[in-house]
This record gives sequence, C-alpha cells and structure tokens, in this order.
Amino acid sequence: GQQLNQSPQSMFIQEGEDVSMNCTSSSIFNTWLWYKQDPGEGPVLLIALYKAGELTSNGRLTAQFGITRKDSFLNISASIPSDVGIYFCAGQPLNAGGTSYGKLTFGQGTILTVHP
Amino acid sequence: ETGVTQTPRHLVMGMTNKKSLKCEQHLGHNAMYWYKQSAKKPLELMFVYNFKEQTENNSVPSRFSPECPNSSHLFLHLHTLQPEDSALYLCASSQVNRANEQFFGPGTRLTVL
Repeated sequence: GQQLNQSPQSMFIQEGEDVSMNCTSSSIFNTWLWYKQDPGEGPVLLIALYKAGELTSNGRLTAQFGITRKDSFLNISASIPSDVGIYFCAGQPLNAGGTSYGKLTFGQGTILTVHP
Repeated sequence: ETGVTQTPRHLVMGMTNKKSLKCEQHLGHNAMYWYKQSAKKPLELMFVYNFKEQTENNSVPSRFSPECPNSSHLFLHLHTLQPEDSALYLCASSQVNRANEQFFGPGTRLTVL
C-alpha cells in the first residue's frame, strides 16, 4: 500500500522557536492534511490542502502542498508549551478515487516536545 | 470536544470474550470510519461507511465486525481477539463529499489478555 515518510520522528525545542516537519511519498497525492494528537485524545485536523503549491495558514501554523504533489510540510512559528503533541501528516492518494474517497494514508507522526 | 464520542474509553478483555465498541457523532455527518492505532505504527484504516453502507474493508480479520445502524452510530463488535489486537481504536466521521476532512473521537484503548 501507499506509505508516507514523515520526519523528523521527534523534536525537542525551546519555547519561542520555530518548528518544521515534512512528509514525503513515492506516489502522487491529491490531498494533504495535517493532524495533531494530544495524549489520550484522537487526532484533530489542523490544515487541509487540495492543490499543488497551495500554502495555507491556521494561526501560527503554515502548511504547503508540494509542487510535485509528493510532499508537504508543516511549520509552527513561535512555539508555545501547548504545541506539545504528535503531529501526523495524511494524504489521499491520486489513484484512490471513486468509492475510495476518504481512504487516508497516515504518516508515523512527529513527536514534539517544547521546553518552557 | 470534536462532536464524536466513543465508549468505553478503556477496555480489557480476554481472548474468548465478546465485546463491542460504540461511536456516536453529533455533527450531522454521513460517513463514519474505524481506525486502529498501534504503537510506533501509522493509523490504519479498517472500515468506511457512507450513508450506512460499508464501502471499505481494509482486509480486516473477521474477528472484527462493524455495524452502522444509522449515520450517527457506528459499532465495532469484537470476538476471539488476539493479544496483538491491543491498540487504540479510533472512530471518525465526515461529510461524504468532504471525506478527507475527518473528525476523530478520543478512542477506545483496548487491551487483550
């Protein structure tokens, strides 16, 4: 099946620093999404991207749909302690159309730790 | 609070038990999903239901049996599970025409002894 390579696997940063993580695939994706999961909770959708080259912001978060349609990145600016959690990329492969719409492939996650 | 609730939050069961997980969404969505989240592995899609009809079974063993009586409720019936089935089981919902924007419940942490 499709696989997404998400990196880095973990990050330890100081409060106030900027963060960048990315996701790559060997296949073309027609949708990229970024989720955050807090301990004991389910993932929460942060940003959805639908067009190659699209750059979208949600507060201090910015994500981009790579021009090759095989990658995406997420940036967090001026990190704060509540940014701690696991960030997942997810995507809808290009060849998974029709009744497979909604069949998302997830990355393994980036564990973010923010030191005050 | 995402509008998707799951019960129970924690479940411990033996390999010979039969149990059910319940998911309810209060968002007016018409698609629902079951995922399995194991340690150090990506979320794995198990089942997809659109308008109460199952449209995806991602090669899930028959010891997992889903049921979707209406667009707001989704069940996962469990029987004769194995210890390797221990994981966090997540339910999600969406609109069928925005199926990639899925809203997740908090999950049920399942331990099979």
